[in-house]
Amino acid sequence: GAGVSQSPSNKVTEKGKDVELRCDPISGHTALYWYRQSLGQGLEFLIYFQGNSAPDKSGLPSDRFSAERTGGSVSTLTIQRTQQEDSAVYLCASSFSRGEQFFGPGTRLTVL
Amino acid sequence: QQQVKQSPQSLIVQKGGISIINCAYENTAFDYFPWYQQFPGKGPALLIAIRPDVSEKKEGRFTISFNKSAKQFSLHIMDSQPGDSATYFCAGYDQFYFGTGTSLTVIP
Repeated sequence: GAGVSQSPSNKVTEKGKDVELRCDPISGHTALYWYRQSLGQGLEFLIYFQGNSAPDKSGLPSDRFSAERTGGSVSTLTIQRTQQEDSAVYLCASSFSRGEQFFGPGTRLTVL
Repeated sequence: QQQVKQSPQSLIVQKGGISIINCAYENTAFDYFPWYQQFPGKGPALLIAIRPDVSEKKEGRFTISFNKSAKQFSLHIMDSQPGDSATYFCAGYDQFYFGTGTSLTVIP
């Protein structure tokens, strides 16, 4: 398929462990976004990559969160020392420039 | 601070009725106002979007009404169908701010 893919679809981890979430954007899309969606809440912006520019990290909630995008394509969101409040669905999206965002199905993270 | 405020949180409409969801924003730097539709277990998908230089945009049964002076915009779903049952998010772009979502249920 040509859509945005994310892996894993579900991740259960213990408090204090590190997790890595992966996003494969649509080929050719220059922009990539990460959001967090908690139950009953909207989409919380985390980080934005655009081409080779420095990423906009203004939405990252703490220094336990980091993300990288390798070769302008695949991105990995890393959460260190996970806490129970990190439990949420993590959504990735990609787009041409700042236009329509195409979202992946998300990774549901549960921290026990 | 909630940059985009969305209401209502949930909405129940009879089939064939009109569904109306409202959003208000604070940041006048926003230059793009999309509405996304999300079905359970799926990521959001763009439904319709508007730029602030027009007051209305219609695509099929979906219409965005935009009031720049009031900093408000709304989504109208005409002839609502059970298949429209989903969660709807408004957003404002400068940064990427989304509303808290509206769960729409259309009763057959």
